[in-house]
This record gives sequence, C-alpha cells and structure tokens, in this order.
Amino acid sequence: QSALTQPASVSGSPGQSITISCTATSSDVGDYNYVSWYQQHPGKAPKLMIYEVTNRPSGVSNRFSGSKTGDTASLTISGLQADDEADYYCCSYTISATLVFGTGTKVTVL
Amino acid sequence: QVHLVQSGAEVKKPGASVKVSCKASGYTFTGYYIHWVRQAPGQGLEWMGWINPNSGGTNYAQNFQDWVTMTRDASISTAQMELRSLRSNDTAMYYCAKSSGRGVIDLESWGQGTLVTVSS
Repeated sequence: QSALTQPASVSGSPGQSITISCTATSSDVGDYNYVSWYQQHPGKAPKLMIYEVTNRPSGVSNRFSGSKTGDTASLTISGLQADDEADYYCCSYTISATLVFGTGTKVTVL
Repeated sequence: QVHLVQSGAEVKKPGASVKVSCKASGYTFTGYYIHWVRQAPGQGLEWMGWINPNSGGTNYAQNFQDWVTMTRDASISTAQMELRSLRSNDTAMYYCAKSSGRGVIDLESWGQGTLVTVSS
C-alpha cells in the first residue's frame, strides 16, 4: 500500500488542461517538499518531468507544471496533446532517505 | 550525454538469484547516486533502493532489505543489483536510474530496463 495516492485515471480533450493529484497518506514523507513527477509511455522507461514540487528539468515543456497544497501535490498539463497520453507517477523523498512512488495515473487524451 | 546501459533479459527459476548490471557513461560515475526501481507487468513503479557509487553506501526499501544487494565497481562505472530467493512475483522490468545533483531526491536519467522472468 503506497504512501502516495493518485487517481487511477484522468482524461481530457486536446487543448484542455488536466490536473493529477498525489496525496500523502503517511507522515513518512515529512514536509513533502521533495516531490517529483515521472511520465511513462508504454514500453518505455520513465522520464523526469517535475522535481522539488514545482521545478521543470531542462527540455521539459512548460505545459507541465507542479504545485502543492498541504499534503496534496499536483501535476497540471495544459494544452493537452496526443503525446501526453501516458502513465504518470508522483514520487516523494521520505524521512528515512528513501523514495516512494505514487499509485500511478493513466492519462487519456480523448 | 548521460547513458545508462543495462544488461540483457534473464530467465530464472524460483529460488535462484539474479544480478542486473547498469553501465554508466557521459558523467562522473562517483558523483551521483544510482537507484533501482522495478515494475511488474501492468503494475506501477516500485522503488528498491540506492547506492552511493563513491562510498558504496546503500539504503534499501524495507520490502527488499533481506534479499537485495546493490554494489558498484567504480573502475568500470558499473552498478549492480542482485536479488536472491526469487519468486514468481519478482517477474518484472528492473530499471537503474541516476540521481540529479540534488542528492537522492529524484531520478534524472534512466536505463532501458532489464526484464527478469521467474518461472519454473
């Protein structure tokens, strides 16, 4: 049972914005300030999209943004495109210097 | 350019051990942590642990502490993950991933994955 809960699926039409939530259900994540997000297309390795809650690595589209309110972190994808259809995982650093992944969310572009 | 190249697919019998390697290039191997993550078929990502390639220090997820060992050979920029006493539910894709310069908090670059199949 993961310490991070995500919705199983989220969908949207091209051009729309969608938001994926990631709720911490355990105090193991501490202040929850080290949340990262990963995109995974079928049959591919995951790709880092957001780090430290809000920061985008070089090369990641600015259509992807991260935020946090209390125990819930969120990934927003604006201007949804067909290639955004993938699985998305949140991940948090814990007080034991380990990492824990969220349950994963399948994004469907209608 | 960072590259992590993993060893090839493995088929093992229950009770056996498997060792997966991850050869790094394009950066200073000893400067960044290496993590291991697995993904069972149709399932989500599961973090297994990390190794500090400089010191050899490790930190394993509680679920794996008694049956995983992570090592490195800095002379050939290679990290290895050994899983013992394999069971059928260890069938999964195993990934190595390199941390960013921000410590162990995120996984900046990933290997291509190694499929381990456990079957009698």
